[in-house]
Amino acid sequence: EAQVTQNPRYLITVTGKKLTVTCSQNMNHEYMSWYRQDPGLGLRQIYYSMNVEVTDKGDVPEGYKVSRKEKRNFPLILESPSPNQTSLYFCASSYGSGGGWNGELFFGEGSRLTVL
Amino acid sequence: ILNVEQSPQSLHVQEGDSTNFTCSFPSSNFYALHWYRWETAKSPEALFVMTLNGDEKKKGRISATLNTKEGYSYLYIKGSQPEDSATYLCAFYNYGQNFVFGPGTRLSVLP
Repeated sequence: EAQVTQNPRYLITVTGKKLTVTCSQNMNHEYMSWYRQDPGLGLRQIYYSMNVEVTDKGDVPEGYKVSRKEKRNFPLILESPSPNQTSLYFCASSYGSGGGWNGELFFGEGSRLTVL
Repeated sequence: ILNVEQSPQSLHVQEGDSTNFTCSFPSSNFYALHWYRWETAKSPEALFVMTLNGDEKKKGRISATLNTKEGYSYLYIKGSQPEDSATYLCAFYNYGQNFVFGPGTRLSVLP
């Protein structure tokens, strides 16, 4: 089954304790991205990756890091989480970044993170 | 930061009513406009991806139109059903940059 898998789905942590949210897709997609969703706001892009070893900042990258060492994985790293990073996080992927690509995103199920 | 707006913010309709929402986006450097349906406790799923000015797409009772010159898209639902209750998101894509999502329209269809 084609899917985007995020882990953990739920996490409560404390300020300053490093954490990683993993994202894996089995569709051989080139494009992957991370979003956060907060009440009253749309999905805001944190980071995206057009291909392996290529990553770029989205609109709200502060406090986050990513890596794209393999095509299927795109982990989101919070080096020193703070309460303002409490949010619902979505990973998404899309099949390609070349000509003719329309960008349709396939989303994971979301990871709800609470930082105390 | 590019701005994508959606209206209304929320909407309550009776079963059988038809309804429509609006998405406004920058008209410059347009590449694609997406509509996603997001049910509570699930992940957003693509409804339509539209790339050409004047595009009209339809999936069952749901259809969408696109005007890239003036920067808006409409989503129509004909004969709303309770299972249509969800948040409808539009996203603007400017190729080579990032996706910008609107805040969504939350639809509740009352039986």
